[in-house]
Parts: sequence; structure tokens; C-alpha cells
Amino acid sequence: DSGVTQTPKHLITATGQRVTLRCSPRSGDLSVYWYQQSLDQGLQFLIQYYNGEERAKGNILERFSAQQFPDLHSELNLSSLELGDSALYFCASSALAGAYEQYFGPGTRLTVT
Amino acid sequence: DQQVKQNSPSLSVQEGRISILNCDYTNSMFDYFLWYKKYPAEGPTFLISISSIKDKNEDGRFTVFLNKSAKHLSLHIVPSQPGDSAVYFCAGRRSNYQLIWGAGTKLIIKP
Repeated sequence: DSGVTQTPKHLITATGQRVTLRCSPRSGDLSVYWYQQSLDQGLQFLIQYYNGEERAKGNILERFSAQQFPDLHSELNLSSLELGDSALYFCASSALAGAYEQYFGPGTRLTVT
Repeated sequence: DQQVKQNSPSLSVQEGRISILNCDYTNSMFDYFLWYKKYPAEGPTFLISISSIKDKNEDGRFTVFLNKSAKHLSLHIVPSQPGDSAVYFCAGRRSNYQLIWGAGTKLIIKP
């Protein structure tokens, strides 16, 4: 158990809809990362927050947004969903902003129909 | 453009033998290379790292080798155990600390 929790585990929704994925980092970790893993692909970095502030941005679509709250949990909002957004979404956390050792949650599997 | 490549989607190895997982990269601007391991229904877990200025790093049964001239790294697992069956990802860390990941190699350890 990494100490990182993600909810929900599974999500099935229709095209055009909006969903919110939630992540609670390990106790004491200030940095939260979001990744997308499409079928048979590596993890694609989406965005990172550190202590409530956006720290780095990857290949995140404009339809996607995220935030980190004062209690350090984070939410990833995906809107105007398309079939191609179907993927595993992982959240990870680390104590430091630039740590390469990141602790991952079990992921949220999103299926867009 | 994919900067970290794992060209073998899967690898099958006999228990007790050596497992060698390979990774190639196309960008020299990584300061660290990492290996993560992933079991089904779980997130990846960090396994071992190597600095771009090193050639080798060892941690128990796991050794990572870095060949900078060939832009190639490999993970050696000796001896392989059934619990090593998992998907292994290599990743490089950019100077802005962003991790660039390979597509993964599924390792199957046969009894």
C-alpha cells in the first residue's frame, strides 16, 4: 500500500460528459502528479502541483484541469469527454517537488462510451 | 516524440535465471533514469535509479547498467523469482523534473 488513495476505481460515462477524479497523497507529501496511461502506452505526465500551486504542466488537454486543495488532496477534472480519453489515470505523490521516487495510487479506470 | 523506448512488450524467463530488460532513449538531457515495477490493479512502484553520470547501480538482486554512448540502459534481475512477474517501466527524468516513460515490458517468470 503506497498510502496514495484514488477514487473512484472505475468510471463509465458517455461522450460529452464531465467527470472528476480525486486523489489523496501520502501523509506529509506536498507534491501531487497526474498521469494518463492509454492502452499499451507508457505513462503520460499531465500536471504537477506542489503545496497548492501548479508546478509543471505536461501534455494536458485544455479540456482537462486540476487543482490541489489546502488539505493537499487533488482533483482532476475532465470535460467534454471523447472516446480517446478512455484510459487509466494515476495520481502520484512525493515529499519534494522534483523527486523521481514517486508513490502511485492504484489508478482510476475511465471508460468513455 | 517518444524519447524513451522499451521495444520488447514481453519477456519470459525461467525461475532462477537472469532477467534482462532493455530500454533505449533518444534524448541526452535526462539526469536520472529510473525503473518502476507494476503489478495488475496497482500503481507503479519505484525500483531502482541510476544517475546519468554513472555506469552501474546495484540494489540486491537488481542492477541497472547505463551505456551513454549507445543511449541504452538495462535492468538485470538475478536470480529471477516468481514475484518478479510484473510490468517494468523505464523512465528518464528531465532537467525540469518531468518523467518521460517507456511503454513497459511485461516480465513473466516461469516456474
